[in-house]
Amino acid sequence: DAGVTQSPTHLIKTRGQQVTLRCSPISGHKSVSWYQQVLGQGPQFIFQYYEKEERGRGNFPDRFSARQFPNYSSELNVNALLLGDSALYLCASSLLGGGSSPLHFGNGTRLTVT
Amino acid sequence: KQEVTQIPAALSVPEGENLVLNCSFTDSAIYNLQWFRQDPGKGLTSLLLIQSSQREQTSGRLNASLDKSSGRSTLYIAASQPGDSATYLCAVGETDSWGKLQFGAGTQVVVTP
Repeated sequence: DAGVTQSPTHLIKTRGQQVTLRCSPISGHKSVSWYQQVLGQGPQFIFQYYEKEERGRGNFPDRFSARQFPNYSSELNVNALLLGDSALYLCASSLLGGGSSPLHFGNGTRLTVT
Repeated sequence: KQEVTQIPAALSVPEGENLVLNCSFTDSAIYNLQWFRQDPGKGLTSLLLIQSSQREQTSGRLNASLDKSSGRSTLYIAASQPGDSATYLCAVGETDSWGKLQFGAGTQVVVTP
């Protein structure tokens, strides 16, 4: 079975631009979470979706938004990019929400903002 | 606010030695604790998940313990191999956060042949 897949793998954007990152969960998984990982730090929680509804939001500005589609795939959108948004963006899926099953992460999208 | 700390930040051991990685957290109201491995430039691989009602989990050469009352978890890796070289992260799921994980910064491990 395929794991969590994310696209694109790398992305370079300019300050002020907008970006959309995509994630396909493991087949059968209904929960998708997004994390931001800055170099040298642990991942920081951005969003969690379960059954297409937002179930959690981290301490990120409104420039960050996300959604989950009927097939459980997900998109993360970031508007008005800042240099500080440069990071590895990780998507994770789990069979169930609420922390009752382990998270499985994709390889991430490396976003560079110049 | 939950804070997760991993000390040391980096560790180097010779092949064959047992690894002991530490994780501490400030709020004992956790739902579970998960250990991950991250290779350079890659995503995270789940190693072990310990529910709050459990005291330890084992998988092959890996054993993780959980002591909620003292806010600590320890990951043991027996008979380390060069392939174990990676960054190891622990993450806690809080009772009232519905699946959100709070991560530590990780311990970077190098196993020398």
